[in-house]
Amino acid sequence: GAGVSQSPSNKVTEKGKDVELRCDPISGHTALYWYRQSLGQGLEFLIYFQGNSAPDKSGLPSDRFSAERTGGSVSTLTIQRTQQEDSAVYLCASSWTSGEGETQYFGPGTRLLVL
Amino acid sequence: QKEVEQNSGPLSVPEGAIASLNCTYSDRVSQSFFWYRQYSGKSPELIMSIYSNGDKEDGRFTAQLNKASQYVSLLIRDSQPSDSATYLCAVYTNAGKSTFGDGTTLTVKP
Repeated sequence: GAGVSQSPSNKVTEKGKDVELRCDPISGHTALYWYRQSLGQGLEFLIYFQGNSAPDKSGLPSDRFSAERTGGSVSTLTIQRTQQEDSAVYLCASSWTSGEGETQYFGPGTRLLVL
Repeated sequence: QKEVEQNSGPLSVPEGAIASLNCTYSDRVSQSFFWYRQYSGKSPELIMSIYSNGDKEDGRFTAQLNKASQYVSLLIRDSQPSDSATYLCAVYTNAGKSTFGDGTTLTVKP
């Protein structure tokens, strides 16, 4: 079946512009994560959606970042008034939870470059 | 203290050697543990999961878990150049969320 998809794959924008990044999770997966990864660095947790629960927004670096998940499926990460330090790869992962935990399936990422 | 800590590396081993990757975690109620591999420029992919104390083997990979010591490791036997990647440890807790370590970069030299 289809894996996690993300769009766009690459985005170049000018400082101060808003961007929207999209994630289509695997059908049936109840959990969805957004991460940011700068070159040579680890995964920086941004936000976590689980079913109908309130999202865990504890990783969002500033109020310029927001995310929503519509209908428990597609998610959009929005960055307002982009800054050069926002340049990174943004990864989305979806998962389902069994009695023993969860396996995350990652999308290919969106590479964001803010000029 | 970070929730999940890994040796920062980089780790370099010769081809055919055993590579040992380590991970410690702070939350005692952590439930399950995962190792992901991330090739340069690619997304992470799951290679091993472990839930019970002891060893779990899958081909050349062995995961080891010691909950009393809050320690999980990944051994790669007969390391190959194709194993060169960053290895990420992830811990899933009863809070219903996974947390990743920063990863250890492994280079296997021919």
